[in-house]
Amino acid sequence: NAGVTQTPKFQVLKTGQSMTLQCAQDMNHNSMYWYRQDPGMGLRLIYYSASEGTTDKGEVPNGYNVSRLNKREFSLRLESAAPSQTSVYFCASSPETSGGARENIQYFGAGTRLSVL
Amino acid sequence: GNSVTQMEGPVTLSEEAFLTINCTYTATGYPSLFWYVQYPGEGLQLLLKATKADDKGSNKGFEATYRKETTSFHLEKGSVQVSDSAVYFCALSKGFSEKLVFGKGTKLTVNP
Repeated sequence: NAGVTQTPKFQVLKTGQSMTLQCAQDMNHNSMYWYRQDPGMGLRLIYYSASEGTTDKGEVPNGYNVSRLNKREFSLRLESAAPSQTSVYFCASSPETSGGARENIQYFGAGTRLSVL
Repeated sequence: GNSVTQMEGPVTLSEEAFLTINCTYTATGYPSLFWYVQYPGEGLQLLLKATKADDKGSNKGFEATYRKETTSFHLEKGSVQVSDSAVYFCALSKGFSEKLVFGKGTKLTVNP
């Protein structure tokens, strides 16, 4: 069971460089999410996608763009990296629930540790 | 808006000690409540959940009870092990279409 797969695991960038973080899930989930994790800040939502073809901003979207390429893949792009974007990035996905269930159980990848110098 | 407040860590315990990590929430309506755990070098994974008042979630010896009157969802374990060392996150959601709101996390270290 692969679950949610993120690549790369580690990346070092120079200020101004661009890169794309990749995320893929094999659980046929409709919803996908990108978070960043910083010390003392917990997880903050960057962008999310409720279904293929739709994306919405989260709490901290500035400096990022996303693409929901298909149902499986949801990528996060940094167009011009800044030191403030040094963080650990997590992708997550969640399944549909039926019968009006009030759950939003999310499944996380192992993360990408990004340093911007 | 919706928010989650967790006790600040880090928390350091000896093996077999009793654990409590406090979590309180602010939300309109009736949210679902979750505890996620993050082991070193890994992503978060669901530990337990409760979807309505007075529900008790449990898993791996951990328990938490949804207390609407005190807006709390405290995590407890009667006897911790070294392998429980991790960061624990409390979270809420008001339904499937609502995003998860996380607390800041509490780091637990259990010494042999």
